[in-house]
Amino acid sequence: AQTVTQSQPEMSVQEAETVTLSCTYDTSENNYYLFWYKQPPSRQMILVIRQEAYKQQNATENRFSVNFQKAAKSFSLKISDSQLGDTAMYFCAFILTARGGGSEKLVFGKGTKLTVNP
Amino acid sequence: EADIYQTPRYLVIGTGKKITLECSQTMGHDKMYWYQQDPGMELHLIHYSYGVNSTEKGDLSSESTVSRIRTEHFPLTLESARPSHTSQYLCASSPVLGQGAGTGELFFGEGSRLTVL
Repeated sequence: AQTVTQSQPEMSVQEAETVTLSCTYDTSENNYYLFWYKQPPSRQMILVIRQEAYKQQNATENRFSVNFQKAAKSFSLKISDSQLGDTAMYFCAFILTARGGGSEKLVFGKGTKLTVNP
Repeated sequence: EADIYQTPRYLVIGTGKKITLECSQTMGHDKMYWYQQDPGMELHLIHYSYGVNSTEKGDLSSESTVSRIRTEHFPLTLESARPSHTSQYLCASSPVLGQGAGTGELFFGEGSRLTVL
């Protein structure tokens, strides 16, 4: 079975600094997508960034970037120039793409609570 | 912004009442999900559907039931609410992988926070 592990239940960072959230996953498959989701307090869960496993280049979205190490099965999220609005729960997630037939399900980690301090 | 809506956003009810949490999406997604989440905690998949008339139980056992009569609608029902059902319930949808822009990404509603007294 596929699993996703986020080893940091809580983290904090000062405004304008950089923080990295860790995520590791376990699968014997070769084709999949990885995601980072953000859930602000009492607000909607939204997608932060997505990475296709077949792409070696790390995905970036403005201040958010990932360090994807396929061999190590690691998918960390780096937030640069942290802002107060980045305070949220962050979930790492994973889905297989090889099986087809629409039966794939997203597997989530347990989340990391990030607090950005002024 | 994703077009997936949940009502009610907040609900406080007494033990033994029947409740239905509504979830609708206007994106034509085939796949829909219900997650249960205590505040600041992990997500637990309780139900999912891959299309009309398709429903499956998720990884976490739940006393709730779901139906999928229309593509856009995926309501969750508790026949007799108990304090142990107090939680947040998140609805999500996604297109099938490979269809259109389908990459497995889930689109979430804003959640329904249920309190059972």
